[in-house]
Amino acid sequence: AAGVIQSPRHLIKEKRETATLKCYPIPRHDTVYWYQQGPGQDPQFLISFYEKMQSDKGSIPDRFSAQQFSDYHSELNMSSLELGDSALYFCASRTGTGLSGANVLTFGAGSRLTVL
Amino acid sequence: AQSVTQPDIHITVSEGASLELRCNYSYGATPYLFWYVQSPGQGLQLLLKYFSGDTLVQGIKGFEAEFKRSQSSFNLRKPSVHWSDAAEYFCAVGAPSGDYKLSFGAGTTVTVRA
Repeated sequence: AAGVIQSPRHLIKEKRETATLKCYPIPRHDTVYWYQQGPGQDPQFLISFYEKMQSDKGSIPDRFSAQQFSDYHSELNMSSLELGDSALYFCASRTGTGLSGANVLTFGAGSRLTVL
Repeated sequence: AQSVTQPDIHITVSEGASLELRCNYSYGATPYLFWYVQSPGQGLQLLLKYFSGDTLVQGIKGFEAEFKRSQSSFNLRKPSVHWSDAAEYFCAVGAPSGDYKLSFGAGTTVTVRA
């Protein structure tokens, strides 16, 4: 079965540079979530999109922005990178809004960003 | 606000022994409850979920979890651990309506010794 695809899997950047992470949800999933997991930390919700509109926002720095495109893939743009941005960034997708027995978040394998 | 507590940061268990991971949540009502597993360098894989109904939930890889409303707990169990179960386990809660973002516990790292 198709899964959530994230690219790149690994990314190394210098401080103050910019990085873009991409997420391709499961086909027919219209809702995308971004999570950030710092070293030894639990995943923290950043932002979500439903039908190409931002649906919720968590602890996402102002230096970060994200969007969902017409094909439902999403991109997380991070500028003026700081050492503390080094983390594993997860994307997850699901269908629709609200929770039901079938609507469970499926996570991608993550994109590991290292800021030097 | 919802929160999740996993009291055990690290558990070491012998292969073939039983495993129980604790999870307590704080929420105004009964949330939706999940257990995810993360192997080193890998993404989060859903083990099982509880939305309603039978409080004993069966998941993949031989795991089960029991929802206890009176204790606000959702502990994960496996009767006989395999070496491949070594991983980090996250308990998560989600609001039962609308807002779908999950709140995760800090995770429990499971080490399996031969």
